Amino acid sequence: DAKTTQPTSMDCAEGRAANLPCNHSTISGNEYVYWYRQIHSQGPQYIIHGLKNNETNEMASLIITEDRKSSTLILPHATLRDTAVYYCIVRGYSGNTPLVFGKGTRLSVIA
Amino acid sequence: DTGVSQDPRHKITKRGQNVTFRCDPISEHNRLYWYRQTLGQGPEFLTYFQNEAQLEKSRLLSDRFSAERPKGSFSTLEIQRTEQGDSAMYLCASSLLAGGKHEQYFGPGTRLTVT
Repeated sequence: DAKTTQPTSMDCAEGRAANLPCNHSTISGNEYVYWYRQIHSQGPQYIIHGLKNNETNEMASLIITEDRKSSTLILPHATLRDTAVYYCIVRGYSGNTPLVFGKGTRLSVIA
Repeated sequence: DTGVSQDPRHKITKRGQNVTFRCDPISEHNRLYWYRQTLGQGPEFLTYFQNEAQLEKSRLLSDRFSAERPKGSFSTLEIQRTEQGDSAMYLCASSLLAGGKHEQYFGPGTRLTVT
């Protein structure tokens, strides 16, 4: 079973920041938080991952709380093309484990 | 395009028939994964390979399912005696287990419909 809890759906106005929360209260010390998204009729796409420090790349920012029990994915200026299902996944960094997806959050970006 | 490719993109088959899907990973990726996704659910892990060795199989992978990666490059997933419950999107992903990068890159999937 997935080790994360996410809201089922969220709306965001185009051009505004989209903040997607994720709870992972049972995360262990050597587990990372990964985010993927899946645009309709496509395979999932890697976005970002982190351990305990905040991370930023060209797609998004990842904010992880100090106790590591929750995190937030931030899309700074959401566009219509960001409409997708966003999955928060907890995974060991060894890379030996497959991804365990939950149901994710369906983000709808509205014009 | 040097991403993960899958063939066919869509397959409609009658119950009881056998089907085979192909996945071509990103060149030089040593890990290859198969997932299944049903409507409204996230992808579920089926099996994965490191090079040509099949290292793990999910309990979802019944005896009717078999996967191969004969030369450590492309992979095939075969379903024998298909059932209506096999209708799903079958996703392939690849990754490079080196240099601290473990991101999986997914293909577009093969949508199977069993009638």
